[in-house]
Amino acid sequence: DVKVTQSSRYLVKRTGEKVFLECVQDMDHENMFWYRQDPGLGLRLIYFSYDVKMKEKGDIPEGYSVSREKKERFSLILESASTNQTSMYLCASRGIYEQYFGPGTRLTVT
Amino acid sequence: AQSVAQPEDQVNVAEGNPLTVKCTYSVSGNPYLFWYVQYPNRGLQFLLKYITGDNLVKGSYGFEAEFNKSQTSFHLKKPSALVSDSALYFCAVILYNNNDMRFGAGTRLTVKP
Repeated sequence: DVKVTQSSRYLVKRTGEKVFLECVQDMDHENMFWYRQDPGLGLRLIYFSYDVKMKEKGDIPEGYSVSREKKERFSLILESASTNQTSMYLCASRGIYEQYFGPGTRLTVT
Repeated sequence: AQSVAQPEDQVNVAEGNPLTVKCTYSVSGNPYLFWYVQYPNRGLQFLLKYITGDNLVKGSYGFEAEFNKSQTSFHLKKPSALVSDSALYFCAVILYNNNDMRFGAGTRLTVKP
């Protein structure tokens, strides 16, 4: 079975802190994705990566950056956390068609 | 804009009754369509997909979906709902460039005993 893991299930940070969310997949997938999920808005794509060191902006990249130094790991970085970044963050990797999701990180910024 | 829409925020059904969760799409070219389910405080789980071939696709947990090109729809169905089917359901489509999966806003399904 494909496994996508995220470093934390719950995270509480203060405004202005730098936040790292880590995602690891074990299926040698090339494509990896970061989404945020908010009630009534579904999943919105923040960034995706189709290869090591490659990245593409999604719909809402502002306030975020990403890093893909190794194929299995895709990190989301909040350079200076703000309260409007309180959300559920979901990482995914893609096989041929379907995407496989991690369990999510619920981030609260106070 | 190329996207997918779920017209119902909430669907309520009684246990044992058939259920339908609606999805319509708007894409250029041939769509690749998906359904995912999310249980509380969990990530999304893949249910089924339509890529090509038979318009009726069967997936996990007894779910199925019918691709209807003329109505640009991909509704999720199950003949007999279970209380354990209560969850948030997302429809998704891969765009023509195959690097971007777009999701609907989600439909919360509640199955009452």
